[in-house]
Amino acid sequence: GENVEQHPSTLSVQEGDSAVIKCTYSDSASNYFPWYKQELGKRPQLIIDIRSNVGEKKDQRIAVTLNKTAKHFSLHITETQPEDSAVYFCAARGVHKLVFGAGTILRVKS
Amino acid sequence: NAGVTQTPKFRVLKTGQSMTLLCAQDMNHEYMYWYRQDPGMGLRLIHYSVGEGTTAKGEVPDGYNVSRLKKQNFLLGLESAAPSQTSVYFCASSYNWGDEQYFGPGTRLTVT
Repeated sequence: GENVEQHPSTLSVQEGDSAVIKCTYSDSASNYFPWYKQELGKRPQLIIDIRSNVGEKKDQRIAVTLNKTAKHFSLHITETQPEDSAVYFCAARGVHKLVFGAGTILRVKS
Repeated sequence: NAGVTQTPKFRVLKTGQSMTLLCAQDMNHEYMYWYRQDPGMGLRLIHYSVGEGTTAKGEVPDGYNVSRLKKQNFLLGLESAAPSQTSVYFCASSYNWGDEQYFGPGTRLTVT
């Protein structure tokens, strides 16, 4: 089955800097890769996703890149702000379900 | 439009007790999921359903049962609670298996 690894487990950046979170997956048949943000004590919410027919997708300050050959995808956050502090989860679509990475705690220091 | 709701929000059980967590969605979604979230382990799938009357095992199904008698509801049961089942439980739903999953607010369960 699908296996997703996520790095780093924690990331601290200064406000205004960029943050990058990387994930690798094992199943070459996976074709949908969402990213979820979870603020403290709240539910995970989708922030961006990418399908395998594109290599990059951008939405304002966040972007996701996908390298299908290497089986890895990354989340890029530019001009980080304190409200970006949260746990971020990547996921890859398996059969009938999503497989999530273990999460990255992002802290933005002001 | 309430989205995905979960009942209860908090619960404390003693070892060996049983309970049922209720998930409800009003988005007419076919797919529903139960996850548990533990520190450092992300979201692990317990059971899921691809439509009314269907259920399937996920990654960590042992000790849990589920039922999907109505399309809008997905119930998670703990038959004999154990301390290892102390966790935060999230329900989610999606229109199709390749679509965005919408999560409920979570249930924090403590088993003593």
